Amino acid sequence: NAGVTQTPKFQVLKTGQSMTLQCAQDMNHNSMYWYRQDPGMGLRLIYYSASEGTTDKGEVPNGYNVSRLNKREFSLRLESAAPSQTSVYFCASSPRGGGLAGYTFGSGTRLTVV
Amino acid sequence: GQQLNQSPQSMFIQEGEDVSMNCTSSSIFNTWLWYKQDPGEGPVLLIALYKAGELTSNGRLTAQFGITRKDSFLNISASIPSDVGIYFCAAMNYGGSQGNLIFGKGTKLSVKP
Repeated sequence: NAGVTQTPKFQVLKTGQSMTLQCAQDMNHNSMYWYRQDPGMGLRLIYYSASEGTTDKGEVPNGYNVSRLNKREFSLRLESAAPSQTSVYFCASSPRGGGLAGYTFGSGTRLTVV
Repeated sequence: GQQLNQSPQSMFIQEGEDVSMNCTSSSIFNTWLWYKQDPGEGPVLLIALYKAGELTSNGRLTAQFGITRKDSFLNISASIPSDVGIYFCAAMNYGGSQGNLIFGKGTKLSVKP
């Protein structure tokens, strides 16, 4: 009963470094999402993939790219990390259209950019 | 864009107290959800509401889908220490072309010192 798995759980990057956050779900969900969470800001959508082969920008896409590798996996890439990207990143998935039960979230990746 | 206004931003609870929080929007939604986030974890769904006026319970938690479809309320009765965390409301129009959830900014529950 893994649900949504995110790796790594913690990461420290230097400004300008690149990295990819990985996300995989085993619930056969069509849609996947990347959010960032900052104190007092709630959850803000970075990118989403409504179905395999499609990706779209969310509220805060600048500085990020995504890849929907297959139905299970959706990765988030930071090409040149900046301190403003220090945050907790959550991946989520849902059946197409959001599903009656909303989204299932992973446990997060805590990223610090120094 | 669409926004959910969640209040209060934070509150302190003493064991045994009842807790109330709410979420409002200027837009109409057909689905309201409440999530809880424990420290160091991702949000977990508590209650989902699909019908205007609906009142749904999950143990000590009760949530209501406002009759105008623009608001929702969550009540926690007889709070216990493990209730601390961040509670998020979320809303969407299920069945639309893209049912993206939007989230409130959260209500942080802490234990009274």
